[in-house]
Amino acid sequence: NAGVTQTPKFQVLKTGQSMTLQCAQDMNHEYMSWYRQDPGMGLRLIHYSVGAGITDQGEVPNGYNVSRSTTEDFPLRLLSAAPSQTSVYFCASSYSNPRGGPTDTQYFGPGTRLTVL
Amino acid sequence: AQSVTQLDSHVSVSEGTPVLLRCNYSSSYSPSLFWYVQHPNKGLQLLLKYTSAATLVKGINGFEAEFKKSETSFHLTKPSAHMSDAAEYFCVVSDRQGGKLIFGQGTELSVKP
Repeated sequence: NAGVTQTPKFQVLKTGQSMTLQCAQDMNHEYMSWYRQDPGMGLRLIHYSVGAGITDQGEVPNGYNVSRSTTEDFPLRLLSAAPSQTSVYFCASSYSNPRGGPTDTQYFGPGTRLTVL
Repeated sequence: AQSVTQLDSHVSVSEGTPVLLRCNYSSSYSPSLFWYVQHPNKGLQLLLKYTSAATLVKGINGFEAEFKKSETSFHLTKPSAHMSDAAEYFCVVSDRQGGKLIFGQGTELSVKP
């Protein structure tokens, strides 16, 4: 198993550009999520999905879109990048608990380091 | 609402000495609590988790944490630090309603030879 994979590892964008951060998992996990990590703030939840076709907003969703057309993939789209979106982005996955949230153990990808100039 | 506070942004210890990373939580429900570790330029790895079983939880690499409800704390300890323990550590809370994970701000652990 490859686990959770993310591409690209690094990306530099100019303000106003768009791009998609890719995330894939091969563990058949229902629950997938995106976090951003900023110094001194820990990880903050951007969007999450409890299964194919179902997504919802997390703590900091503004400026980001997601979709979940398959169980394996959960891309994160920046429609018009802003310098405030400079961060490290982590994708995570887990099985879903009966209430639709993540189970105790989430598996994290290696991260994408994004710089917006 | 759930929240978690890591009381130290940076902890420095000498190799072979004990490690203590402090975490306090706030939760309206009986929480699940976790410690994750992040080595430089790597993703996050689960160290240990508390889910209402034994209050003393043992994790990987010799780490353990004790859940103290009266103090709303979940401090991480290790008897003897190793150079490879240098990393950032995150205390995380998840409520039993199936909600999201809430991360603390992180504690950077440095280990001196």
